[in-house]
Amino acid sequence: TQLLEQSPQFLSIQEGENLTVYCNSSSVFSSLQWYRQEPGEGPVLLVTVVTGGEVKKLKRLTFQFGDARKDSSLHITAAQPGDTGLYLCAGVGSNYQLIWGAGTKLIIKP
Amino acid sequence: EPEVTQTPSHQVTQMGQEVILRCVPISNHLYFYWYRQILGQKVEFLVSFYNNEISEKSEIFDDQFSVERPDGSNFTLKIRSTKLEDSAMYFCASRFRDISGELFFGEGSRLTVL
Repeated sequence: TQLLEQSPQFLSIQEGENLTVYCNSSSVFSSLQWYRQEPGEGPVLLVTVVTGGEVKKLKRLTFQFGDARKDSSLHITAAQPGDTGLYLCAGVGSNYQLIWGAGTKLIIKP
Repeated sequence: EPEVTQTPSHQVTQMGQEVILRCVPISNHLYFYWYRQILGQKVEFLVSFYNNEISEKSEIFDDQFSVERPDGSNFTLKIRSTKLEDSAMYFCASRFRDISGELFFGEGSRLTVL
């Protein structure tokens, strides 16, 4: 069974600070996706990383896929209150299912 | 912009009743999925559907669950006899191609079983 451990589960920081969210697994994924979910809504895709070692940037968000395609990180620079939300990682597993992390609830205080 | 739509947005039902959740995927998409999210817990995969048949299902997707694409437009999830533990948000998703193709989610249907 493929599992994806996401950490931290909860993070509350001040506006302007940097933060990193991690997703780790003992399994290899063909690709890994990061989503953001607002309360009462479905997850919205932020990015897909495919190649080991790949780094993608989305404004102040930097996503990295581990060289072995077993782990990934999301780094936010100079966090803003608008970044508040639930961030989910999901690995594309062996049968093309999405293996979901438990999510990181991020609160950015003004 | 094309979107996945789901109905109803919220359904309250009595335990043991049948429930049908409906989804209209994006029209040119080929792969369809149902996920659920119990309040405060992680998103869980239920089933994937391609070429008019189930391609993969999880342990959660037991005999009480079924999916159908009756008319080439709608994609439905049926729960035959609901249990209290079926209370959750159910999300439909679709994508055009598999493996790293963008997955588009609907806004979800909240099911409350009393």
